Amino acid sequence: DTAVSQTPKYLVTQMGNDKSIKCEQNLGHDTMYWYKQDSKKFLKIMFSYNNKELIINETVPNRFSPKSPDKAHLNLHINSLELGDSAVYFCASSQGLGGYTFGSGTRLTVV
Amino acid sequence: GQQVMQIPQYQHVQEGEDFTTYCNSSTTLSNIQWYKQRPGGHPVFLIQLVKSGEVKKQKRLTFQFGEAKKNSSLHITATQTTDVGTYFCAGPTAGNKLTFGGGTRVLVKP
Repeated sequence: DTAVSQTPKYLVTQMGNDKSIKCEQNLGHDTMYWYKQDSKKFLKIMFSYNNKELIINETVPNRFSPKSPDKAHLNLHINSLELGDSAVYFCASSQGLGGYTFGSGTRLTVV
Repeated sequence: GQQVMQIPQYQHVQEGEDFTTYCNSSTTLSNIQWYKQRPGGHPVFLIQLVKSGEVKKQKRLTFQFGEAKKNSSLHITATQTTDVGTYFCAGPTAGNKLTFGGGTRVLVKP
């Protein structure tokens, strides 16, 4: 059983399109996150939700909109995709101050 | 804002040798976490250190948290090809936001 699952694994799309990435965790964790990893491997937090409530919203363009329908799901919708959005997006979850469990990532390529 | 820095950025190691990677924070941390990301994979949680001066071991990996809780190290003995990957340290900031260091990319020469 996959603990944190993301779909799709790969996403290739044209500039200007809108796309969504879905994430689900079956660990019963109370907090979920979206991280962006660029080509230099830097991991940068984008959003964090605790029990469906947004608690962290970093300096991210408002073209990125997270949605958490329940505490086991955190989706990421991106409008008007740009070349610079190409990266690997990781969903993660945690319970309290414990370690994070990451999903396998979504490699987004904007052409 | 808080910064977490890791050195070296790259570590080329001969199989069988030891090496150490270092992590430094600009502020005192309540805890430090370490993750490993294999090439093409996702970060996997290795360990969390909480106490000042704490040392924990996982087989050939030894993790240490500094006395001032602003730095940490990961020492690997007798490096194997399975140790290849990027090792990240991370420390929590306000709102339990985990700030990651830039990572140390480990390459092993057989």
